Amino acid sequence: SQQGEEDPQALSIQEGENATMNCSYKTSINNLQWYRQNSGRGLVHLILIRSNEREKHSGRLRVTLDTSKKSSSLLITASRAADTASYFCATVINQAGTALIFGKGTTLSVSS
Amino acid sequence: DTGVSQDPRHKITKRGQNVTFRCDPISEHNRLYWYRQTLGQGPEFLTYFQNEAQLEKSRLLSDRFSAERPKGSFSTLEIQRTEQGDSAMYLCASKSLAGVVNEQFFGPGTRLTVL
Repeated sequence: SQQGEEDPQALSIQEGENATMNCSYKTSINNLQWYRQNSGRGLVHLILIRSNEREKHSGRLRVTLDTSKKSSSLLITASRAADTASYFCATVINQAGTALIFGKGTTLSVSS
Repeated sequence: DTGVSQDPRHKITKRGQNVTFRCDPISEHNRLYWYRQTLGQGPEFLTYFQNEAQLEKSRLLSDRFSAERPKGSFSTLEIQRTEQGDSAMYLCASKSLAGVVNEQFFGPGTRLTVL
């Protein structure tokens, strides 16, 4: 079964705009990760945020985590056409847990 | 090192046939995972190995599915008596225990179509 839901399911923006995707999950977590999947390619790890962190940055990516609301958001600033992909949040339930539990993903389309 | 590789990339088979997929993880990665992804969904965990030991299997892994990692390097996933519901992308991932906690490196996947 899948842990969470991403919102929105699909997002279309213009190059240069910011894109925000949200993820909600059901159970307590050890950490939450965001992955990107391009058409025809495997999943690529983007960023990891631990349960005791509230915000993290990596390049044009900003992730927030609100454990009280069991939610996370991924912000991509100054989007590019190459950012067109599906984005998934994935949770790890506990430190010993190893399997990633993915949401259904947000499909982002960035047009030039 | 060229990342996680999977073979074949695509497989079309008839219902009832057996299929086998191979995954070559990043060298020296201790853990190897199999996931299944259907259209419009996120990947779902199937099973994982630490070295050659299969340590966890999800309820999704029916008796028709078997996975091996005989020498702790590459892994195979076999599906016997395939059904149309087995049509999906099968993803393999690997992870080093010395790496970032729970960051997994994924292969390109094997897309299975059961006719």
